[in-house]
Amino acid sequence: AQTVTQSQPEMSVQEAETVTLSCTYDTSESDYYLFWYKQPPSRQMILVIRQEAYKQQNATENRFSVNFQKAAKSFSLKISDSQLGDAAMYFCAYTSGTYKYIFGTGTRLKVLA
Amino acid sequence: NAGVTQTPKFRVLKTGQSMTLLCAQDMNHEYMYWYRQDPGMGLRLIHYSVGEGTTAKGEVPDGYNVSRLKKQNFLLGLESAAPSQTSVYFCASSALGPTDTQYFGPGTRLTVL
Repeated sequence: AQTVTQSQPEMSVQEAETVTLSCTYDTSESDYYLFWYKQPPSRQMILVIRQEAYKQQNATENRFSVNFQKAAKSFSLKISDSQLGDAAMYFCAYTSGTYKYIFGTGTRLKVLA
Repeated sequence: NAGVTQTPKFRVLKTGQSMTLLCAQDMNHEYMYWYRQDPGMGLRLIHYSVGEGTTAKGEVPDGYNVSRLKKQNFLLGLESAAPSQTSVYFCASSALGPTDTQYFGPGTRLTVL
């Protein structure tokens, strides 16, 4: 069965610094999709970044980038130049294209001024 | 353009009562989803819909029913609420299916006493 593990329940970062949130997953599929979603205190989840497993190139979105290691089944999120607005819960998620989504338990990111 | 909206935002029920949660989206998306989020866990898919008039079971469908009579609306019903259904419920929609970006509503916090 597929699983998604976020081993860091909470992380802190100083404003303007860089932080990396880890996510590992387990699957026997060769083609799948990975996501990072942000859930701010308002609760509304927002997509941060999406990665297609068959693409070698790591996805980036402005200050957000991923380190996708397919062989190691690792999908970490790097946030550069952290801002106070980045404070939120971050969820890693997986789908193989069926209607089965696996979400991790989340990492709470605190940004210190 | 409101995106995905959910009604109500909060609700308290007594065991055995029934209620319906309404999700509406104005993005003309074909796919809609209902999730629940419990403390210390990621989101879990309850039911989903691939188009008007169609619904299907997700990971945790027991105790819930859904309907998609109109493309823009996806209703989640609890026929006889139980304390185990205390949770935060999120609706989401996507344009191109399960591998596409999902747009989430703000959530409904439901407490069953």
